Amino acid sequence: DAGVTQSPTHLIKTRGQQVTLRCSPKSGHDTVSWYQQALGQGPQFIFQYYEEEERQRGNFPDRFSGHQYPNYSSELNVNALLLGDSALYLCASSSPSGGAYNEQFFGPGTRLTVL
Amino acid sequence: AQSVTQLGSHVSVSEGALVLLRCNYSSSVPPYLFWYVQYPNQGLQLLLKYTSAATLVKGINGFEAEFKKSETSFHLTKPSAHMSDAAEYFCAVRGPNFGNEKLTFGTGTRLTIIP
Repeated sequence: DAGVTQSPTHLIKTRGQQVTLRCSPKSGHDTVSWYQQALGQGPQFIFQYYEEEERQRGNFPDRFSGHQYPNYSSELNVNALLLGDSALYLCASSSPSGGAYNEQFFGPGTRLTVL
Repeated sequence: AQSVTQLGSHVSVSEGALVLLRCNYSSSVPPYLFWYVQYPNQGLQLLLKYTSAATLVKGINGFEAEFKKSETSFHLTKPSAHMSDAAEYFCAVRGPNFGNEKLTFGTGTRLTIIP
């Protein structure tokens, strides 16, 4: 059973560019959350997608947007990249069949470097 | 609003010694609390969780944590440290409601094991 997968593993962009990161959830999961982990910090919640809609959002600007496809995979898009967007981007998936407590399973992350 | 505070960004213990990583939480609703471990260049792995059942929670790799409401704490312990325990550890909190799955993480504690 494949866990959460993310692509690409590493990415280098320049300021002002746009980037798309991809995530495939664990088999049987239909909910995807995205987190940003800056160097030396804990992960920060960006948003969560469920049934192809954004269900919950953290304190991130509109430059950060996402999408969820019918097969539950998800994309994170960041426009007008800033140096401060350099971070490890983590995707986590979960399933509502877990009840009120839905454990989130994390992928290995995409390391984004903005120059 | 919910938050967690991890006391000590770096902790060093000798192999075989007790591991104690501290986490205090703040929450206006009964919290769900988690400890995650992150090895270099990897995603997060769930060690253990508290979801309002038993206050002493046992997790993987010999770790356990005790929920103390009076102290608003959820400290992580392991009786005997092993070299493989060297990693970054994150405490996290979320609310108990279905659909509110945003995890709020602490800043992490880097655990070093001294041979």
